[in-house]
Amino acid sequence: EIVLTQSPATLSLSPGERATLSCRTSQSVSSYLAWYQQKPGQAPRLLIYDASNRATGIPARFSGSGSGTDFTLTISSLEPEDFAVYYCQQRDYWPFLTFGGGTKVEIK
Amino acid sequence: EVQLVQSGAEVKKPGESLRISCQGSGYRFTSNLISWVRQMPGKGLEWMGRIDPTDSETNYSPSFQGHVTMSVDKSQNTAYLQWTSLKASDTAIYYCARVGLRNWFDPWGQGTLVTVSS
Repeated sequence: EIVLTQSPATLSLSPGERATLSCRTSQSVSSYLAWYQQKPGQAPRLLIYDASNRATGIPARFSGSGSGTDFTLTISSLEPEDFAVYYCQQRDYWPFLTFGGGTKVEIK
Repeated sequence: EVQLVQSGAEVKKPGESLRISCQGSGYRFTSNLISWVRQMPGKGLEWMGRIDPTDSETNYSPSFQGHVTMSVDKSQNTAYLQWTSLKASDTAIYYCARVGLRNWFDPWGQGTLVTVSS
C-alpha cells in the first residue's frame, strides 16, 4: 500500500497570506495525485487532479505542482472560506487508492 | 446538476445489520463507478472500495474486505453499502463519491452518519 504523508499537520495563517501544503508518497505515483478540501460538516470537494489541474469552478488562487513522490498545493492568498482541511489522494495503483492524513489550515 | 444523495443518519446497536444508500442523478448512473469512503470521528478519509454499476464488479480495500458489502440497483440509480453485524468501531460518516473525470472523486454525497452504540 502506498502511504501518503502530509505536512504540516496544521498550518496557522492569516487571510491574505500564502499557504503551502506538502504531500509525499512512499512510492512514485507519477502525476496521479489529487487534492480535496473539506470544510467542517461538509463532504470533501475536488480541488486539483492529476497533480496540477484545477477542477471545474475552483478559483485560480489554488494551484498544484509536483510529480513522482513530492507534491505541493499552494493557495496564493487565503480567503476566509479557504480555512479547512486539505487531503491528498493517489490513484496510481488503481483501483487501490489511498488518502493522506490531511492538513488543517486554520486562522492565526 | 450531477448529484449524489445519501440516506439519513442511523443509530444501531452492536450486532445489528444495516444498509445505507447513495442515489445518483443528473448523469447516466452506469457511466461511472461509485466509491465509498469512511471518516471516523475527528479523523481522515479512508477509501473502502468501489463498485461498477454496469456489472456490479467490486474492489475492496484490504482493510474493509469481508466487513462490508457494496451493491447497486441500476433501476433505481442507487448504490448501497451494507453491514451484517455492526461493531462500535463502525461508528463513522460514510461518503459515496462518483468516480468521474480522470478517475477522481467528483462529486461526493453529503455523507451518512452511522452511530453504533449499546
